[in-house]
Amino acid sequence: LAKTTQPISMDSYEGQEVNITCSHNNIATNDYITWYQQFPSQGPRFIIQGYKTKVTNEVASLFIPADRKSSTLSLPRVSLSDTAVYYCFSGGYNKLIFGAGTRLAVHP
Amino acid sequence: DAGVIQSPRHEVTEMGQEVTLRCKPISGHDYLFWYRQTMMRGLELLIYFNNNVPIDDSGMPEDRFSAKMPNASFSTLKIQPSEPRDSAVYFCASSLGLAGVTETQYFGPGTRLLVL
Repeated sequence: LAKTTQPISMDSYEGQEVNITCSHNNIATNDYITWYQQFPSQGPRFIIQGYKTKVTNEVASLFIPADRKSSTLSLPRVSLSDTAVYYCFSGGYNKLIFGAGTRLAVHP
Repeated sequence: DAGVIQSPRHEVTEMGQEVTLRCKPISGHDYLFWYRQTMMRGLELLIYFNNNVPIDDSGMPEDRFSAKMPNASFSTLKIQPSEPRDSAVYFCASSLGLAGVTETQYFGPGTRLLVL
């Protein structure tokens, strides 16, 4: 049975790089890995998606090793507005599963 | 595009009453998902549809929950009878293709349900 596991919370300071790692137990061969961001009283919002190696967009990078048993979301130079809950997600051909979420607090 | 639209945004009801949550997906999206979010259980997938047909309803908690998608632009999630443990935020999401296989989900603002 597929399962995703991520840290419950993290703290950081403005301007630092933040890395959040998720483990993907039994991820299906064809399933992609997606990360979402959620602010209070809002629905989750797409950040980045990848299958293998490294993907980068204007807000984040995603690192996925060759065995695809984990993924790492990297947020460069965080600001106070990056304080949110971050979810990893996998599924598609397999069960659609969100991780429990990592609550990131960015301090001045 | 207005994004995924959900109504009502808030619902307060008494135990035993019927509750109907509504969702309008993004036009052209073939997949529609219903999620429930609580502090204890996080985000749980309840059911999803492809081209208006239910594909996986294994997350529906029990027979009190039912979901329909009569057409491509409308879906409902019904709880009858409601119980206090159903209190949660219910999200609807839609995607252009199967979420998790290159396509991403777009979430609505959610319906905050409180059952007294």
